[in-house]
Amino acid sequence: DAGVIQSPRHEVTEMGQEVTLRCKPISGHDYLFWYRQTMMRGLELLIYFNNNVPIDDSGMPEDRFSAKMPNASFSTLKIQPSEPRDSAVYFCASRGLIRDSYGYTFGSGTRLTVV
Amino acid sequence: KQEVTQIPAALSVPEGENLVLNCSFTDSAIYNLQWFRQDPGKGLTSLLLIQSSQREQTSGRLNASLDKSSGRSTLYIAASQPGDSATYLCAVGETSGSRLTFGEGTQLTVNP
Repeated sequence: DAGVIQSPRHEVTEMGQEVTLRCKPISGHDYLFWYRQTMMRGLELLIYFNNNVPIDDSGMPEDRFSAKMPNASFSTLKIQPSEPRDSAVYFCASRGLIRDSYGYTFGSGTRLTVV
Repeated sequence: KQEVTQIPAALSVPEGENLVLNCSFTDSAIYNLQWFRQDPGKGLTSLLLIQSSQREQTSGRLNASLDKSSGRSTLYIAASQPGDSATYLCAVGETSGSRLTFGEGTQLTVNP
C-alpha cells in the first residue's frame, strides 16, 4: 500500500491567491481527516469525513477554508483567498484497522507558504 | 473536552540510555491511544497503538503502557540511539474512534 498521498509537497503562493491541497487516503479507510500544524498551535483538526460525508468542520478557521470529498479516494482542502497566517504544514490522515483497533495513518504533509 | 499533556517538552540524553516519555489525558473514556514519531520537516509515523482494553504494546525497543483510570501513558525507549532523535507525539482517540486529540510532543535528542 502506498499510504496516504498528499500533493503538492510544497506550495508557495502570494496572498490573495487560491490554494488547493489534495489527498488520496488509503483504500478501504472510512474516515479522512485534515490537520494543520504550526509551531504556535501544534496539530489542529480542521475537518473530518466519514464515508465521504463531512462530519465536523468546527475546526475550519473561517469561511476562506473549504474541503470536499467527492469520492472515497480523493479529498481537497481549498483556501480562497489565502493569507500569510495560513502558512503551515497541512496533513491529511485516514483511519483504518491497525491490528485489531482503528488507528490513523498520516500523509507526508503539504508545506504551505503564503507571502 | 479532552486535553492531552506531554512531559517533558524536550529531552536530551546520551546514546545507550533507557528513557521514558510521559503522556497524560483528562478524560479516561478513550477508544485507544497512539504514539507517533515526527522527524523534522516530515510527516507523522505511527509507532504503537494501544486499545483501551490493553495495558501495553511492544515493538522492538519501544514499549508503550496505558493506565486509563489514571489517565496516563508512557513510552519507554530502550538503549536509545542517535537515530531515535525526533519529536514523539501522543494522541488519544475518542470513544467512537473518530477523532484524535494530540499532545504537544516531546522533542528527543540522543547524543552520540
